[in-house]
Amino acid sequence: KQEVTQIPAALSVPEGENLVLNCSFTDSAIYNLQWFRQDPGKGLTSLLLIQSSQREQTSGRLNASLDKSSGRSTLYIAASQPGDSATYLCAAGTNAGKSTFGDGTTLTVKP
Amino acid sequence: EAQVTQNPRYLITVTGKKLTVTCSQNMNHEYMSWYRQDPGLGLRQIYYSMNVEVTDKGDVPEGYKVSRKEKRNFPLILESPSPNQTSLYFCASNPWGGDYGYTFGSGTRLTVV
Repeated sequence: KQEVTQIPAALSVPEGENLVLNCSFTDSAIYNLQWFRQDPGKGLTSLLLIQSSQREQTSGRLNASLDKSSGRSTLYIAASQPGDSATYLCAAGTNAGKSTFGDGTTLTVKP
Repeated sequence: EAQVTQNPRYLITVTGKKLTVTCSQNMNHEYMSWYRQDPGLGLRQIYYSMNVEVTDKGDVPEGYKVSRKEKRNFPLILESPSPNQTSLYFCASNPWGGDYGYTFGSGTRLTVV
């Protein structure tokens, strides 16, 4: 059974800092790896999706990388802003449609 | 506007009274999925569907039913709700196979008393 772990559980940084969020998964036979953002009391917003054949994806200040062999993905946020404060979730998906989420990293960016 | 619509947003019900949470998407997505989110347990997949008339169990399917009779709708049915099904429920859809991430609905907060 796939298990997804996100470390750290919480992170507090000053505005402007570059930061890395980590996601690890136990079964490397994944179809894709996704990163989401969830604001308090809200639904999830997709940030980046990396197919198993890809190594990374970029969107604006966000860059996600995938290393299937080591079972790891990282989300890099450049020049963090207070508006980036949220919970970030990763999810490992199979080609059959199953998806397993990590517990998330709660990020606070202080002005 | 492309979206996934869940109804209702909030529901309080009593144990054993059958209920349906609706999920509809207007993006012609093949894939749809239901999740529940609980404090300390994170998001867990209940059921998913790769296309019309194709459904599969996720990690926590007990006590739930789904159907996919048409592409746009994927209702979640609780035949006999119990208090342990009190949770925040999310529906998601995806065109599958490309670089597009899942689109999530706004959630349904269900309380079973």
